[in-house]
Amino acid sequence: DQQVKQNSPSLSVQEGRISILNCDYTNSMFDYFLWYKKYPAEGPTFLISISSIKDKNEDGRFTVFLNKSAKHLSLHIVPSQPGDSAVYFCAADNSGNTPLVFGKGTRLSVIA
Amino acid sequence: GAGVSQTPSNKVTEKGKYVELRCDPISGHTALYWYRQSLGQGPEFLIYFQGTGAADDSGLPNDRFFAVRPEGSVSTLKIQRTERGDSAVYLCASSPGGGAVGYTFGSGTRLTVV
Repeated sequence: DQQVKQNSPSLSVQEGRISILNCDYTNSMFDYFLWYKKYPAEGPTFLISISSIKDKNEDGRFTVFLNKSAKHLSLHIVPSQPGDSAVYFCAADNSGNTPLVFGKGTRLSVIA
Repeated sequence: GAGVSQTPSNKVTEKGKYVELRCDPISGHTALYWYRQSLGQGPEFLIYFQGTGAADDSGLPNDRFFAVRPEGSVSTLKIQRTERGDSAVYLCASSPGGGAVGYTFGSGTRLTVV
């Protein structure tokens, strides 16, 4: 049973437009959520996170929204740039009591 | 070191052989995690160390997999009698303490069992 789901395996967006990556979770004990970005042949790198006490966190071009009642979060990238092309993983944590649980990832392609 | 170092970066082995994968965490990080990423999947948790002890090994798929961290720094993931299904990228991450904040991943070891 997948506790963190990313239902879109891939997404293609034009440069300058908004990219929206979605993530759903099933475990109501999760209270901290993270997005990681992964380039080929590299490990995942931390991008942005959000605590369950918030519904939005912004860092430059990246914003994460959390809807706890729907158990849904999304990552918005605006404006999208070709260098944003990578695989994005959503991950969730339970107050540090268990290791991070990852989704399957969404491959974002930003077309110039 | 500056980051998490994993060696080798690539390993090809024959079915049935034994392999060891090494992880050098960031100096001072007490928590160390092993994950496995198969093609088209996200990282799947294998085992977590806090210091020298395995705090959670619930993700190890079977008794062919074993990991150690004898001095609380470097960790070795050991796989016995490798099978083709073990082919994946094995990722190591470290963090200053338990919890989600501050996970830093290495570049991984790509294991191919032929």
